[in-house]
Amino acid sequence: DADVTQTPRNRITKTGKRIMLECSQTKGHDRMYWYRQDPGLGLRLIYYSFDVKDINKGEISDGYSVSRQAQAKFSLSLESAIPNQTALYFCATGQTGTSGTQYFGPGTRLLVL
Amino acid sequence: AQSVTQLGSHVSVSEGALVLLRCNYSSSVPPYLFWYVQYPNQGLQLLLKYTSAATLVKGINGFEAEFKKSETSFHLTKPSAHMSDAAEYFCAVSASNNNDMRFGAGTRLTVKP
Repeated sequence: DADVTQTPRNRITKTGKRIMLECSQTKGHDRMYWYRQDPGLGLRLIYYSFDVKDINKGEISDGYSVSRQAQAKFSLSLESAIPNQTALYFCATGQTGTSGTQYFGPGTRLLVL
Repeated sequence: AQSVTQLGSHVSVSEGALVLLRCNYSSSVPPYLFWYVQYPNQGLQLLLKYTSAATLVKGINGFEAEFKKSETSFHLTKPSAHMSDAAEYFCAVSASNNNDMRFGAGTRLTVKP
């Protein structure tokens, strides 16, 4: 089984809808991250969490919110989706004290019409 | 804040030829540097990382990278390309005192028969 899982893997939604992307990990890591990937822009950090009670904004947090329900679960919400949020979204995990290495899930492809 | 620049969004080599993917970084504190690979429809997989130990870092699949502080570079090389190396490659930097990882825009490697 994969260490970092994301659901759904693909999602089509309409402008204005609220959607949630979920991430779970079995690696026992304390840190979790949400990124979006756009062609030609690489990955950009949306939010990150260093433990259940710690949530931090990344480069591009506007229009997004997150919830760290447990050490193993970190969800990303789009409160009112807009077309320019169409992207590939990745969840990642990391462990404090391991030189910053992050481990990525398989991604969620989101299309906002 | 730290950042990376990947020179060349597309690189094409023949099978058996040298692979050279370029990455330059900017960081105000000692950096940790990473190369990740992304195969089609998959998440990112760690190839190798530099964390202030040996400047020549060996990774998986025959790849290696050399940290050159004077040139602020961390180029990725492989002596002989294989068809299975075709993928997108991302260079990333994080500061040694936090986990805020910044990614380059990516380089797509094509390997010709």
